[in-house]
Amino acid sequence: ILNVEQSPQSLHVQEGDSTNFTCSFPSSNFYALHWYRWETAKSPEALFVMTLNGDEKKKGRISATLNTKEGYSYLYIKGSQPEDSATYLCAFSAGTALIFGKGTTLSVSS
Amino acid sequence: GAGVSQSPSNKVTEKGKDVELRCDPISGHTALYWYRQSLGQGLEFLIYFQGNSAPDKSGLPSDRFSAERTGGSVSTLTIQRTQQEDSAVYLCASSMGLAGGNEQFFGPGTRLTVL
Repeated sequence: ILNVEQSPQSLHVQEGDSTNFTCSFPSSNFYALHWYRWETAKSPEALFVMTLNGDEKKKGRISATLNTKEGYSYLYIKGSQPEDSATYLCAFSAGTALIFGKGTTLSVSS
Repeated sequence: GAGVSQSPSNKVTEKGKDVELRCDPISGHTALYWYRQSLGQGLEFLIYFQGNSAPDKSGLPSDRFSAERTGGSVSTLTIQRTQQEDSAVYLCASSMGLAGGNEQFFGPGTRLTVL
């Protein structure tokens, strides 16, 4: 059974803090690793799709790294803002279907 | 808008009744996925359709669940003889090609409550 683990389960930070989350996934049969942001009352929105070991991607204040050999990815948020409050999901793919973790819920206080 | 749409947004039904959930993917997207999120759980893959290929039904939890995709576009997820454990948010997503390497675009979901 493929298992995708995310930590921490939840996180509360102050505005301006930088933070990071971890996604662990199977290191075999790797095809891609996805990150999504899911805000309350909205649909999940794609942040990154990563396929290459050592890949680093950045979108504004959010960035992600990928280590396929050891099976982990980090998501970083620099200078957190209240609008960053959401659940961040990672998903592993061996080619077709995505296997999602349970997410990290971030709350940013102003 | 040109996003993924789902209907209904909320559905309350009685145990034992059948329900149909609808998904309209983004035009031109060949892949369509159904997921559900039960309380306290992550997104659970149910089924996906890719073009004219046979669907991958490996995630369907029981034979009470079925789905079809007509004309390579709209999809309907049917749950027969609903049970309380079927209560969840059902999400549909579409992508260009298989989602393995392509981002998925999600609909707003249907919240199903089985009394």
